[in-house]
Amino acid sequence: AQKITQTQPGMFVQEKEAVTLDCTYDTSDPSYGLFWYKQPSSGEMIFLIYQGSYDQQNATEGRYSLNFQKARKSANLVISASQLGDSAMYFCAMRPITGANSKLTFGKGITLSVRP
Amino acid sequence: NAGVMQNPRHLVRRRGQEARLRCSPMKGHSHVYWYRQLPEEGLKFMVYLQKENIIDESGMPKERFSAEFPKEGPSILRIQQVVRGDSAAYFCASSPVVRGPTDTQYFGPGTRLTVL
Repeated sequence: AQKITQTQPGMFVQEKEAVTLDCTYDTSDPSYGLFWYKQPSSGEMIFLIYQGSYDQQNATEGRYSLNFQKARKSANLVISASQLGDSAMYFCAMRPITGANSKLTFGKGITLSVRP
Repeated sequence: NAGVMQNPRHLVRRRGQEARLRCSPMKGHSHVYWYRQLPEEGLKFMVYLQKENIIDESGMPKERFSAEFPKEGPSILRIQQVVRGDSAAYFCASSPVVRGPTDTQYFGPGTRLTVL
């Protein structure tokens, strides 16, 4: 079984500053993928970034980077140079890589508010 | 290149009626997943389908819920005799034929079901 934990209360950040959103996970699968999705107030789910458990380097995608610490089972999302449009809910998710099980397991999400 | 399409975006039903939610995956994607999001919660996996096959329905309630992905046409999530507890956002995601561990699930805009 897989579990994602996101326990931060609502987060606030000043525009143009960086912010880290925490995610810890638990799994018995030897290989897995970690994902971050953004859900703005309009409700859609937007894929942001992916990290494979076997990747040697932390993933980066524009202003998004993933601080992956495998031994600590954490996969924190770092957003640099925050923009007002970054205000949204952010979900961490994971799925196993091997086998036929492709379903994503999500955390409860973190609300981020960017202040002008 | 159109994304994942879901309709309707909003659906209101009275208790006891049927709800039919439709999902058209991205072009070239043959894997479809349905997730449910209750208020203030993350997404919960319901079912994973490929064309004409249900691969994993471990997240589906045992009664009243069914899903299909026919050879032609969209995937359908059907809820019979809806109850107030079925009120939620239902998301469909699709991914291409599995090529490797980085295949990402792309989400549709969701259908917000309200049961009166």
